[in-house]
Amino acid sequence: GAVVSQHPSWVICKSGTSVKIECRSLDFQATTMFWYRQFPKQSLMLMATSNEGSKATYEQGVEKDKFLINHASLTLSTLTVTSAHPEDSSFYICSATGFDSYNEQFFGPGTRLTVL
Amino acid sequence: AQSVAQPEDQVNVAEGNPLTVKCTYSVSGNPYLFWYVQYPNRGLQFLLKYITGDNLVKGSYGFEAEFNKSQTSFHLKKPSALVSDSALYFCAVRDFGSSNTGKLIFGQGTTLQVKP
Repeated sequence: GAVVSQHPSWVICKSGTSVKIECRSLDFQATTMFWYRQFPKQSLMLMATSNEGSKATYEQGVEKDKFLINHASLTLSTLTVTSAHPEDSSFYICSATGFDSYNEQFFGPGTRLTVL
Repeated sequence: AQSVAQPEDQVNVAEGNPLTVKCTYSVSGNPYLFWYVQYPNRGLQFLLKYITGDNLVKGSYGFEAEFNKSQTSFHLKKPSALVSDSALYFCAVRDFGSSNTGKLIFGQGTTLQVKP
């Protein structure tokens, strides 16, 4: 149980285009989803927290107009990187918590974004 | 502010020997502590957590961790290391800040290298 998927697992795009990453909880209802960014061999940097049906809460320094987060249902959250640039290239990871797992986050496998 | 520190960037151990990956924390109140493991280009996998109860917590893949309140530590241990344990390990503490969304604060990560 408690499986979180991400799609796509990797994506390459041209500078200036937008990319959408999906995060799904497959066997539980995710009341809260988290989006992280990770650079090689570094820790996870929390970008934002989203609760189903409400606006995401962004961490300080994260551009909300650039990283659009939608959490429209209890099983799906999306992160859209708008007008992507090479410096946005990174590993993006989502996680989720449910009604019965409030203390534990379940992580997706991550999405590797490369912007050319 | 709550924080987690992993003082070692890398830990090297021979296969079959015991391993320890260190973690110290700073929180106000009782800590909720977690250990996760990350294999290359993958998301994080949950190993174990301490919320309350016995100070020695047993988790997945033969790992355990000892909560030490006086030393504010939560070191990860395994009696006999395997080459397949080689990965990046993260200690985390739950942030009970004003938003109380269940977000985690991660340490900087420790690379475990187990040599045959």
